[in-house]
Amino acid sequence: AQTVTQSQPEMSVQEAETVTLSCTYDTSENNYYLFWYKQPPSRQMILVIRQEAYKQQNATENRFSVNFQKAAKSFSLKISDSQLGDTAMYFCAFMKRNAGNMLTFGGGTRLMVKP
Amino acid sequence: ETGVTQSPTHLIKTRGQQVTLRCSSQSGHNTVSWYQQALGQGPQFIFQYYREEENGRGNFPPRFSGLQFPNYSSELNVNALELDDSALYLCASGLGVASSHYEQYFGPGTRLTVT
Repeated sequence: AQTVTQSQPEMSVQEAETVTLSCTYDTSENNYYLFWYKQPPSRQMILVIRQEAYKQQNATENRFSVNFQKAAKSFSLKISDSQLGDTAMYFCAFMKRNAGNMLTFGGGTRLMVKP
Repeated sequence: ETGVTQSPTHLIKTRGQQVTLRCSSQSGHNTVSWYQQALGQGPQFIFQYYREEENGRGNFPPRFSGLQFPNYSSELNVNALELDDSALYLCASGLGVASSHYEQYFGPGTRLTVT
């Protein structure tokens, strides 16, 4: 079984600053995906960024980038130029490849972007 | 918005009762997964349906059951409700179970309160 741990229950950042959210995971699998999902207040959960475990290059999506350390089983999310609309719960999630696309989530980090 | 809808939005039930939650998948999607998100926690996988068959199940008792219909909409049924069943129930639809169809599209959730 897989476990995903997010050690920062809450974080805050000033608008336009950079913030990094941490995630560690435990698995015996070698072939998997890692994700960051965003859940804004009272709105639907949406995918922010995805990393495939076999790729060494860190994924980037506009202001969002990850630091994927496979050996350390670490997967952090960096948000650059933070915007008020980034205020949300952020969930790190694990998905085993070729196993039906079921997600294992961490406990979440509540991010507040302050003006 | 993702195109996944859920009903009802909120629901209050009494311990011991039964409840049915509904999910309408995004057009073209043939998988649906259900997650339970307790307050302040990350979502936990309940089960997944693919082409009307259960395709995987998390660590939930048999009183949690589901259905997927030919139009790929879905129901989650919970019997003998317990206080700990109070949570946000999320459904997520996808294009299939192949790893290339990793992205899950989440609905807004149904908030169930058991008193």
